[in-house]
Amino acid sequence: EIVLTQSPATLSLSPGERATLSCGASQSVSRNYLAWYQQKPGLAPRLLIYDASSRATGIPDRFSGSGSGTDFTLTISRLEPEDFAVYYCQQYGSSPRLTFGGGTKVEIK
Amino acid sequence: QVQLQESGPGLVKPSETLSLTCTVSGYSISGGYYWGWIRQPPGKGLEWIGSIYHSGDTYYNPSLRSRVTILVDTSKNQFSLEVTSVTAADTAVYHCARDSGGLIEYWGQGTLITVSS
Repeated sequence: EIVLTQSPATLSLSPGERATLSCGASQSVSRNYLAWYQQKPGLAPRLLIYDASSRATGIPDRFSGSGSGTDFTLTISRLEPEDFAVYYCQQYGSSPRLTFGGGTKVEIK
Repeated sequence: QVQLQESGPGLVKPSETLSLTCTVSGYSISGGYYWGWIRQPPGKGLEWIGSIYHSGDTYYNPSLRSRVTILVDTSKNQFSLEVTSVTAADTAVYHCARDSGGLIEYWGQGTLITVSS
């Protein structure tokens, strides 16, 4: 089973700054089937990025994904007030179908 | 627009069975895709429980497989979850979702299930 480790656990930044979130896999993610989700308190997660680097419908271009194999990155180029949330990576290329990372909280500094 | 809505009791006693139903609107379950359940304990991360196809084909999280059953009712455009022998560790917000090859594009709002006597 693939284990996803996200770092850092918490990222303290100011609006306008660049955010870089990491997701490491215990083994190579098949076909780079790696997604990123954003979750705000009390709401369901929202799909941001799929296939490691493709933006989902309606997602602003300040969100970008990169990486391959075992190392993946979500970058938010300039943080907007609505971007402060928890972010999860998720793999869907290997058994057992899908697994999530532990999350990174992006908080206002 | 695809919409999913969970329903079920908010409180379950320890050792009993948790049962939830997800009603799908805006898309026919028989039209394709898997349909799944994901849970989130208060203040913690996301855990995939399992997914089902309209034919009844299922995938389960190995860590929960022995206690979980997911069923589909295409006539009602619904699918359901049962978790047996629940403990406090099963307290969580339970989301139903559309599973596209493991990618979760659509989520229900979630329902909090508390396990307590």
